[in-house]
Amino acid sequence: DGGITQSPKYLFRKEGQNVTLSCEQNLNHDAMYWYRQDPGQGLRLIYYSQIVNDFQKGDIAEGYSVSREKKESFPLTVTSAQKNPTAFYLCASSARGRAYGYTFGSGTRLTVV
Amino acid sequence: AQSVTQLGSHVSVSEGALVLLRCNYSSSVPPYLFWYVQYPNQGLQLLLKYTSAATLVKGINGFEAEFKKSETSFHLTKPSAHMSDAAEYFCAVSDRLKTSYDKVIFGPGTSLSVIP
Repeated sequence: DGGITQSPKYLFRKEGQNVTLSCEQNLNHDAMYWYRQDPGQGLRLIYYSQIVNDFQKGDIAEGYSVSREKKESFPLTVTSAQKNPTAFYLCASSARGRAYGYTFGSGTRLTVV
Repeated sequence: AQSVTQLGSHVSVSEGALVLLRCNYSSSVPPYLFWYVQYPNQGLQLLLKYTSAATLVKGINGFEAEFKKSETSFHLTKPSAHMSDAAEYFCAVSDRLKTSYDKVIFGPGTSLSVIP
């Protein structure tokens, strides 16, 4: 079945460490997105990519980086510059066109230890 | 700019009672509209969407939503709540007008509790 796979499910980061969250999709979707979810704050867009080798900052990109070298993959790196990285991270993808909506992965919960 | 509001950050209903979750959008041109459900520690799952066909849209798990242009609303309903319906529900909109990308704007979410 087609879908989006996020890994790992749980991730622990030490202070000053960079970590990378994986997002892979086999839906042949052009666009991919990363969201951060904190309790009581809904979804906030970190980065998005509409096509391979191109990506744009969302509303809260500081302290994060991404790459889009393959259509299927859109990894997110949480850098040491992100001062409060503890959150639930969601990856999504969509076909081109506004009527389709997004398909989401199951999320990665990142905790700073 | 397009925005979406969800009245009530938390809604409680008794098992078997009607579920009504409210969603209003801001644009003058009716957008595409979506409802998503999120269970604890999981991603969002599409419940239903409105794309300009029938104004009453049926989705999964017995949910439906009615698009009302005059009220700029897209409220989600279910006739009889089940314990398994307890979750977070997000309304989302996507403009029909061209912008820089196929942006979906999410509401703040409504947490639904079902009381036995």
